[in-house]
Amino acid sequence: KNQVEQSPQSLIILEGKNCTLQCNYTVSPFSNLRWYKQDTGRGPVSLTIMTFSENTKSNGRYTATLDADTKQSSLHITASQLSDSASYICVVSRQGAQKLVFGQGTRLTINP
Amino acid sequence: EAEVAQSPRYKITEKSQAVAFWCDPISGHATLYWYRQILGQGPELLVQFQDESVVDDSQLPKDRFSAERLKGVDSTLKIQPAELGDSAMYLCASRDPGQGYEQYFGPGTRLTVT
Repeated sequence: KNQVEQSPQSLIILEGKNCTLQCNYTVSPFSNLRWYKQDTGRGPVSLTIMTFSENTKSNGRYTATLDADTKQSSLHITASQLSDSASYICVVSRQGAQKLVFGQGTRLTINP
Repeated sequence: EAEVAQSPRYKITEKSQAVAFWCDPISGHATLYWYRQILGQGPELLVQFQDESVVDDSQLPKDRFSAERLKGVDSTLKIQPAELGDSAMYLCASRDPGQGYEQYFGPGTRLTVT
């Protein structure tokens, strides 16, 4: 079954600290993996998209990694800011299929 | 920067009533998606359009939900009658198939059924 599992479900850290969010998937055959940021009450906004041949991609303080062999991805946030408080959703796409498989998200809270 | 527009942003309705949501995708995006997102979960695809044609509505509860995109531009999602379990965020997204994988999401409509 094509699934995306994220951990932790929720995370609270202090402003300025780093954190890493995890994503494991069973989607096959793999096409691409995306990380989205979703602020409360808003639609998701894309942070990164990685294909099979890419194992790391950065977007400012956000760095995503992909290990296609172990079917794992991580999103590392450096020097967190209060505005990073949001849900982060991992999404995987299958080759030849337009439907995306969404994880349930990690709820990140940055405290001052 | 072009954005996906949705309205209303918030809707409160009583169960058994009809409710409709509107989406205007980014200009030129042929593919349009409607998703439902229950609080604390990832979005679930309800229906996908390519221009005015439905490509995938396998997860759409067709006894009460309907969607249309008559001219291949904006789209309407309707629920009739609404049930308590329909309370969720309804997200619209659009994509230009010629410009890669990216889907652009609108701000969503938060539906509360009382």
